Amino acid sequence: GAGVSQTPSNKVTEKGKYVELRCDPISGHTALYWYRQSLGQGPEFLIYFQGTGAADDSGLPNDRFFAVRPEGSVSTLKIQRTERGDSAVYLCASSLTGGGSSPLHFGNGTRLTVT
Amino acid sequence: KNEVEQSPQNLTAQEGEFITINCSYSVGISALHWLQQHPGGGIVSLFMLSSGKKKHGRLIATINIQEKHSSLHITASHPRDSAVYICAAKETSGSRLTFGEGTQLTVNP
Repeated sequence: GAGVSQTPSNKVTEKGKYVELRCDPISGHTALYWYRQSLGQGPEFLIYFQGTGAADDSGLPNDRFFAVRPEGSVSTLKIQRTERGDSAVYLCASSLTGGGSSPLHFGNGTRLTVT
Repeated sequence: KNEVEQSPQNLTAQEGEFITINCSYSVGISALHWLQQHPGGGIVSLFMLSSGKKKHGRLIATINIQEKHSSLHITASHPRDSAVYICAAKETSGSRLTFGEGTQLTVNP
């Protein structure tokens, strides 16, 4: 595929459950970003990968959130013991180079609803 | 106070009108992005600029580094331009983008 792919597009889970959200970036893009967007607000930074390593994870709200990118391509955002406040659209973006200075390509997001 | 502020929050225009959306930021930046988000959530990158002006079709983006201000202009607006427009600043230090809260644009036929 030509674009950033996120799966699932929608996820409904019960409070306390564990969820994984997947991002498949554009092939060759070294930089990958996760953002979270609540209704009516702009995206909020969560974590940035350069290659396989998390170059900046300062946006993760707490230790229930974790993300990996083991081979420098696909990334998984993991949320443990989900809470209703975690409900949001989780957006992934990739860019050819890192540092936020090259154009970003966004996926369509995963809408997470915690009931 | 958000580090990146956009105005207006909501904008309604008639087809054909010239539109301006403003973005002000309080941090030192190395680049500023303008993004378009359609209903359903898909985000498209419109511009990335660090100085001066860029033009693509009916869209023009300008930035004044000294005044810490950027504008997005749409000429001859069309109903299909209706979307949320978001500016995002890449700080000089670090790698994160700080997003504005977006401007909801509605262009009526």
